[in-house]
Amino acid sequence: DAKTTQPPSMDCAEGRAANLPCNHSTISGNEYVYWYRQIHSQGPQYIIHGLKNNETNEMASLIITEDRKSSTLILPHATLRDTAVYYCIVRVGSNFGNEKLTFGTGTRLTIIP
Amino acid sequence: GAGVSQTPSNKVTEKGKYVELRCDPISGHTALYWYRQSLGQGPEFLIYFQGTGAADDSGLPNDRFFAVRPEGSVSTLKIQRTERGDSAVYLCASSIGPGELTQYFGPGTRLLVL
Repeated sequence: DAKTTQPPSMDCAEGRAANLPCNHSTISGNEYVYWYRQIHSQGPQYIIHGLKNNETNEMASLIITEDRKSSTLILPHATLRDTAVYYCIVRVGSNFGNEKLTFGTGTRLTIIP
Repeated sequence: GAGVSQTPSNKVTEKGKYVELRCDPISGHTALYWYRQSLGQGPEFLIYFQGTGAADDSGLPNDRFFAVRPEGSVSTLKIQRTERGDSAVYLCASSIGPGELTQYFGPGTRLLVL
């Protein structure tokens, strides 16, 4: 699976949009971009994923560049409960026998009141 | 519906002892994963089950670690002769089946080896 690079930490004011970048310059054509977050003392929580089109759900939006070498997770109106470590993960799609997620160290996002 | 549950939530043991950690996946999920997370690090893969069989155990650090899933539902991670370096949070996740990319995680078991 492709390696990802994320800033170690970011701050965002409550109520503003939080934009979390991720570089994955070695991504292959069949690899998806996944985002998980981990709130303190909890297990990781799935947020969103995409292949090449931008995606939106009730939690966040995912913007993937046209060359797919980077992406941005957007939390449109950050709240204090969004304070967490956010992990960007790149992995292949249906690939039986290679199901594991490979986590990096993620971005620690702190929402400031 | 109920999510992934793990018991115990915390376990303190002494070096050299044997421990068992339990995972109850989401009902109907055939795929189950174990990860280990050390302080300040992201989770690291240990083992993946599809049904009752271990499809990938490449992440188990050594032969002191073993996991079973005898009926294709509940799984137990077993650690023999625990060492202080085994102290970590052990996370379990499940997904609907192979090729399903979204994994749902439990809250973890915090293991402390004294």
